Amino acid sequence: NAGVTQTPKFRILKIGQSMTLQCTQDMNHNYMYWYRQDPGMGLKLIYYSVGAGITDKGEVPNGYNVSRSTTEDFPLRLELAAPSQTSVYFCASSISTEPGGDTIYFGEGSWLTVV
Amino acid sequence: GQNIDQPTEMTATEGAIVQINCTYQTSGFNGLFWYQQHAGEAPTFLSYNVLDGLEEKGRFSSFLSRSKGYSYLLLKELQMKDSASYLCAVMDSNYQLIWGAGTKLIIKP
Repeated sequence: NAGVTQTPKFRILKIGQSMTLQCTQDMNHNYMYWYRQDPGMGLKLIYYSVGAGITDKGEVPNGYNVSRSTTEDFPLRLELAAPSQTSVYFCASSISTEPGGDTIYFGEGSWLTVV
Repeated sequence: GQNIDQPTEMTATEGAIVQINCTYQTSGFNGLFWYQQHAGEAPTFLSYNVLDGLEEKGRFSSFLSRSKGYSYLLLKELQMKDSASYLCAVMDSNYQLIWGAGTKLIIKP
């Protein structure tokens, strides 16, 4: 079972470069999320989407953009990479955010280093 | 502001019992989650509490007291594979998950 798939797993970027982290899920989940996790820190929500065509900012959206053209795909775009964006990025999905409705399923993570 | 507190690191012995505490202050409450995260891997779901009391699931149990803003995760009969970080997360009134920094659990033989 594929679940949530994100690519690439590892990437090194130079300051100012751009890149897109890809995320796709095959569970027909409405809700999708992008988190970043810095060493020794909790997960911070970057952007989320409640369905195709709808996205919203999370706690730390600056420097990122997202789109949700289909239910399955939720790519995260870094336009001008900065060292502060060095982190581990997790894509996740859930059926809904209603309590008890479902749990959140995570992708395997993408390790991004900006030098 | 919203805040989730849990110890940074704990050490326990194989076969023993350990309790990982989590206290929270959030804008509303729609449930508390515990996730396990092995180093270099994604978090995986362990438990969900929305009502006060104890939820037992095999070797793992989770307790919630909403009036105290407090939860704990109890791990029994510890195994070496339980070495991981344990993340506490609270769903606030906007149905957003607020995450703690995680507790790194080290199991010694």
